[in-house]
Amino acid sequence: ETGVTQTPRHLVMGMTNKKSLKCEQHLGHNAMYWYKQSAKKPLELMFVYNFKEQTENNSVPSRFSPECPNSSHLFLHLHTLQPEDSALYLCASSQLAGLSYNEQFFGPGTRLTVL
Amino acid sequence: EDQVTQSPEALRLQEGESSSLNCSYTVSGLRGLFWYRQDPGKGPEFLFTLYSAGEEKEKERLKATLTKKESFLHITAPKPEDSATYLCAPLRSNDYKLSFGAGTTVTVRA
Repeated sequence: ETGVTQTPRHLVMGMTNKKSLKCEQHLGHNAMYWYKQSAKKPLELMFVYNFKEQTENNSVPSRFSPECPNSSHLFLHLHTLQPEDSALYLCASSQLAGLSYNEQFFGPGTRLTVL
Repeated sequence: EDQVTQSPEALRLQEGESSSLNCSYTVSGLRGLFWYRQDPGKGPEFLFTLYSAGEEKEKERLKATLTKKESFLHITAPKPEDSATYLCAPLRSNDYKLSFGAGTTVTVRA
């Protein structure tokens, strides 16, 4: 595996279900991100992890719960979602080191549909 | 508050018809600006990083330029495989956060 991988690629869930999205990066990066992309809207940053520590929670509802067990893996646990949470969820990683640039590399995304 | 505006929203080109996309931004403490390409149902693919006004980067038929208030992505003699949504994202220097524009969807007809 290379780059950033995400599973599953597609997920359909009911409002009462609990599911998890998984992201793994094979780039040796030290920062990972969750973004939400809804139709016709810009990417919205949800969470940021630097060296496994959460440094950003962009006013995301508590029904989304991130977990970063190590610098290569990132999870997004979902429970009691609403239909408006249907979107493409993207994971990204980057290398943060002083003044170096911060280009983020994205995974293919998980297309989530909440019924 | 940071603002990023991309125009036009959609662009339909004939194969070989060159054009430019615009990204205007208001970001406090700009560290750099990124351009990404996104195909339908896929994650964004990194294209360029620009750091300072006057800088230019090229990749195949794409050339990105940067001024103090905006960036342009020029597509020269496009081919159908250049059809995608192009996203710009200024990077803030204080917290290294990206602010994405809504994108320009380019369709190139053969």
